[in-house]
Amino acid sequence: DQQVKQNSPSLSVQEGRISILNCDYTNSMFDYFLWYKKYPAEGPTFLISISSIKDKNEDGRFTVFLNKSAKHLSLHIVPSQPGDSAVYFCAAVVRFGNEKLTFGTGTRLTIIP
Amino acid sequence: DTAVSQTPKYLVTQMGNDKSIKCEQNLGHDTMYWYKQDSKKFLKIMFSYNNKELIINETVPNRFSPKSPDKAHLNLHINSLELGDSAVYFCASRLASQRGYGYTFGSGTRLTVV
Repeated sequence: DQQVKQNSPSLSVQEGRISILNCDYTNSMFDYFLWYKKYPAEGPTFLISISSIKDKNEDGRFTVFLNKSAKHLSLHIVPSQPGDSAVYFCAAVVRFGNEKLTFGTGTRLTIIP
Repeated sequence: DTAVSQTPKYLVTQMGNDKSIKCEQNLGHDTMYWYKQDSKKFLKIMFSYNNKELIINETVPNRFSPKSPDKAHLNLHINSLELGDSAVYFCASRLASQRGYGYTFGSGTRLTVV
């Protein structure tokens, strides 16, 4: 039972354009959402997060949008740069009790120079 | 300075062997995790320890035995290795008081069972 889903396994975007990565979840108990970036042979590194009480969080070129009613979040990267080429994982957490990250299956983003 | 370090980085072993993976963090965190990334690239939690106490065990076969000798270390011992155990294993840590964030991951151990 996959509670966090990323339906696009891969995405190619021209350098300088906007990259939009999508994520859907099913568990309404999730109250915090995170995006991680992963390069080959490295561990996931934290990118940006959003609390369920917000609908947008921005950090430089990265913006995360949350639509709670649709159980959907998206990560916007603008402008996209070659160094953004990586696998992006969406993750969700319930912030009480014994906390754990539940990950999506990832989207491989390729930025075309 | 590596914040969460795992050893070894690569491990190739035969079916039926017993092997261990080690994880150490120097961040002063009190909670540590093991995650498994399988062939479909799905990252799934296996175990979590808080202050050396097991708090999450996600229906992992009992051939897998985690051990936390102290807050800074979490090791994973695997008995009677099977082909299906081939995966990348990631260690992570956080401060329990930082609800929802502050997870730091190691660079992974790629286990190949032949």
